[in-house]
Amino acid sequence: AIQMTQSPSSLSASMGDRVTITCRASQGIRNELGWYQQKPGKAPKLLIYPASNLQSGVPSRFSGSGFGTDFTLTISSLQPEDFATYYCLQDYNHPYSFGQGTKLEIK
Amino acid sequence: QVHLVQSGAEVKKPGSSVKVSCKASGGTFSIYTLNWVRQAPGQGLEWMGRIIPFLNITNYAQKFQGRVTITADTSTGTAYMEVSSLKSEDTAVYFCGKRESWGQGTLVTVSS
Repeated sequence: AIQMTQSPSSLSASMGDRVTITCRASQGIRNELGWYQQKPGKAPKLLIYPASNLQSGVPSRFSGSGFGTDFTLTISSLQPEDFATYYCLQDYNHPYSFGQGTKLEIK
Repeated sequence: QVHLVQSGAEVKKPGSSVKVSCKASGGTFSIYTLNWVRQAPGQGLEWMGRIIPFLNITNYAQKFQGRVTITADTSTGTAYMEVSSLKSEDTAVYFCGKRESWGQGTLVTVSS
């Protein structure tokens, strides 16, 4: 099974900061990776799939990159509504697998 | 865009089973992959398994193989996820979803 290693597990940042979250796959997954945002008590929301394609309605301050084993999610200028937990999910091969999550908190 | 609505919260005894439903509206239910994911209190998301209804193909994470059964009724556009031999560690919110659309989640509490 493919393991997804996500870092950091938590991140403290200020409004307007640029932040980057990374996911590394234990084997190549082409670009078949999605980035999700989750707020407490809510379902995950897809931001980017595959790897670098911004979903409709998602602000352009979010961007993704990567191919193969290394992927990044970047938020260019943090807004109040961005403080949440972020997950990567590979669906290249089953069993699909999530990263451990990154909790983004206000500094 | 498909809209997914899950069944309500459940409280179950250890050793029993629970079956959660996920009803789709909009889109073509049978042709897309539907995933089941769970989230224990304070923990991350855990992928459990998936179904492709029109092919009746299912795949499971090894951890859940043999204890979780995912099915789908294409006539009603409803998917189901059953967990048997429940343990306290199965207390979690269970979500159904495809990439862009997810159900609201179903809290399953396992307690004696």
